[in-house]
Amino acid sequence: KAGVTQTPRYLIKTRGQQVTLSCSPISGHRSVSWYQQTPGQGLQFLFEYFSETQRNKGNFPGRFSGRQFSNSRSEMNVSTLELGDSALYLCATRGTDTQYFGPGTRLTVL
Amino acid sequence: DQQVKQNSPSLSVQEGRISILNCDYTNSMFDYFLWYKKYPAEGPTFLISISSIKDKNEDGRFTVFLNKSAKHLSLHIVPSQPGDSAVYFCASGGDDKIIFGKGTRLHILP
Repeated sequence: KAGVTQTPRYLIKTRGQQVTLSCSPISGHRSVSWYQQTPGQGLQFLFEYFSETQRNKGNFPGRFSGRQFSNSRSEMNVSTLELGDSALYLCATRGTDTQYFGPGTRLTVL
Repeated sequence: DQQVKQNSPSLSVQEGRISILNCDYTNSMFDYFLWYKKYPAEGPTFLISISSIKDKNEDGRFTVFLNKSAKHLSLHIVPSQPGDSAVYFCASGGDDKIIFGKGTRLHILP
């Protein structure tokens, strides 16, 4: 089985712009979760989608949004980028009592 | 409010010795606990897990211990090898959520 894929792998944006990140889960996995990783903050949960519906949401501002398509692929959007949004964004799909992570998208906001 | 805490941001251990990574949690309703390992520029990879009904789980060089009364779990790596140098995240799962700690960076010294 192919693993979780994320595109793009690297992205550079400027403050005020918006960005869309994509995640393709492992075939057959219907749950997709998004995390933000910054140094010293660990993995902070953004949201989880299951069957095209947002099932859980973390404590992030409304600038962070997501969606899931019928083929389980998910996108995450961040609008009005701020410098503090620079981070590694990871998506994960759920297996039996564990999660499988993609390689992440490294977003740099200048 | 951090439900999963890894109080040591970093740890250095001599090659061949035992590495002990610690994690504390606050929610006694967690059903299972997991450890992930993360190399730079890669997503976390699942290492080992333990159900809340067990107190020990072993897989090769990796052993996870769970002390429910103390709400504490630890990961033992023995013997430590250079390839073990990475960031280790503990996570607690249950109720459709997985919550991660901030991670501990393990350095294996030659």
